[in-house]
Amino acid sequence: EAQVTQNPRYLITVTGKKLTVTCSQNMNHEYMSWYRQDPGLGLRQIYYSMNVEVTDKGDVPEGYKVSRKEKRNFPLILESPSPNQTSLYFCASSLDRAYDEQYFGPGTRLTVT
Amino acid sequence: AQSVTQLDSQVPVFEEAPVELRCNYSSSVSVYLFWYVQYPNQGLQLLLKYLSGSTLVKGINGFEAEFNKSQTSFHLRKPSVHISDTAEYFCAVSEDTDKLIFGTGTRLQVFP
Repeated sequence: EAQVTQNPRYLITVTGKKLTVTCSQNMNHEYMSWYRQDPGLGLRQIYYSMNVEVTDKGDVPEGYKVSRKEKRNFPLILESPSPNQTSLYFCASSLDRAYDEQYFGPGTRLTVT
Repeated sequence: AQSVTQLDSQVPVFEEAPVELRCNYSSSVSVYLFWYVQYPNQGLQLLLKYLSGSTLVKGINGFEAEFNKSQTSFHLRKPSVHISDTAEYFCAVSEDTDKLIFGTGTRLQVFP
């Protein structure tokens, strides 16, 4: 089944404790991205990647890192999480470009205390 | 810079009534436009998209949208809604190949 998977689905952590949210797709997609969803703000793009080893900042990259060492994986790293990073995070992938249909993962709900 | 405005944060409607969810965008160049739907506790999925050609776009589940360049709008419509259409709807715009900008979302609540 074609899908985007994220792990973990739920995470509660403390300020400053490094964490990684994994994202993997099995559709051989070139384009991958991370979004955060907050009430009243919609989805905001954190980082995106158009190909292996090619990543770029979205609209809200501060406090986040990503890497794209393999085509299928695009982990999101929070080196020192803070409470303002409490949010619902979505990974998405598409065939080639931002304007191709985005396939979203199920989401990761992160709480930073 | 591209931006998207969804004018209504919530739209309550009775079952079988028509509905319109409004979306306006801001861009200085040609754009690609999208509507995505998010059902409770799920990720987003594509409803429909406008890349070029006919300004009336038909999507899944009976939804359609019309691209109006002069009014910079891309409103979503459905002639008769069902309870199962209850969800959050996001309008999105892309000017180029790199970024996709989402609006703040409209929560459609369908009542029996």
